[in-house]
Parts: sequence; C-alpha cells; structure tokens
Amino acid sequence: QVQLVQSGAEVRKPGASVKISCKASGYTFISYGLHWVRQAPGQKIEWMGWINTGTGDTKYSRNFQGRVTITRDTSATTGYMDLSGLKSEDTAVYYCAREPYYDFWRGQDYWGQGTSVTVSS
Amino acid sequence: EFVLTQSPATLSLSPGERATLSCRASQSVTSYLAWYQQKPGQAPRLLIYDASNRTAGIPARFSGSGSGTDFTLTISSLEPEDFAVYYCQHRNNWPPRLTFGPGTKVDIK
Repeated sequence: QVQLVQSGAEVRKPGASVKISCKASGYTFISYGLHWVRQAPGQKIEWMGWINTGTGDTKYSRNFQGRVTITRDTSATTGYMDLSGLKSEDTAVYYCAREPYYDFWRGQDYWGQGTSVTVSS
Repeated sequence: EFVLTQSPATLSLSPGERATLSCRASQSVTSYLAWYQQKPGQAPRLLIYDASNRTAGIPARFSGSGSGTDFTLTISSLEPEDFAVYYCQHRNNWPPRLTFGPGTKVDIK
C-alpha cells in the first residue's frame, strides 16, 4: 500500500536549520512529484515547494525563497525538506504529499503523517 | 495575489443535516479546485478533485460543484465522522503552486 512516512518531531533554536525526510513506499517513487506544505497552529495550510522526483527540478514559494531546499534520493525513495534560518514563526507541522505529474489536477492523494517542528530559545 | 476565500468560517449542524460549504477564488481557476478534509492531529485527506470528482473511497454523500470562481462542497447528510475542517485548494498549472483557503470548520450543534 502507498505510504509516505515522515521523520519525527524536531526542536530547534532560532537561527538553526531542520531537515525533514519523507520515505515513500508502495509505488514507483519517480512517477509522482512531492509537495511540501506546512500548517502553523491555528493557521491555514501554506505551500512551501515542490520537487520532480525524477529530474530533481524544484519550485519554491517566494515566501521561503533562499531558506528552503527540497531534494530527493531516488535510491532511498525519500524526499527531503531543509529549512534554514529558523524563526519562532516557523513552528508548525510540516507535511509532504505526492501528486501525479500529467494529471496533477487529480490532487495530492497521499500525505505523510506530518512532522512537528518547534522553534524556541 | 491569488486568494481563496471560504465561507462560513464555522458551520454548526447536527448529524443527518445537510452541509453546504463555499469557496471563492479571486480569479478564475477553471475547474482546478480540490477539497480536503482534516481532523485534529491528522494530515489533510483528499475528497474532491477537479471541482466535482470524488476520490476513490470517498462516500457519495460528499459532492462538489462549481467552476470559474465559485465552488461548493455539499455533504448531503452529516455522519458523526464528518465533523472536521474542510479546505479548498487550487493547484496552479505552472509553477506548481498550491493555494489553500482558510478552511470551514463543521462542528456539532
């Protein structure tokens, strides 16, 4: 069965970086792109970026430009999201979600369970 | 800036009642509009894609309609497990940006 399993909760100090993993199984990894989104407490869901897992091509939200790096390891069928220069406002739950390439209008049908990141001094 | 607006913010209903949730886009999105359900502590769950298509496994009581800038999610008869937050989402063609609405919370009256 399709699964996206994310790494565990993280606590960081302001200014630090965090790298979250998203391990995919049950499907052909490079046949789907991966989005990364986040949800701060009581806030709406915010898109961070996307990766073509086959080519490695990435697109980022302007809101995170320069601070976020999305990568993948095809041999490990794992996607990664690295966020640097952490601030307290980055405290949120971070999700990965898969999406088909050519019929992307079908939406993101499988999501990771979420990774809580707390930024506090 | 492209924005999705949802109304109402909260909908208080009883099991068995009909729920009608609205989503309005600041500019036309043709039909690239999806609906997600989120329960506390869980990831969003895809219900409807392309405005009116139910994802596999989603009960028939969920239906979506609309095009252009105005969209509706209808739950014909609320079940206890349907009390949750519902988000509409637009996926831009390119770049592949996702925009979510602020959500509508459906709670028990």
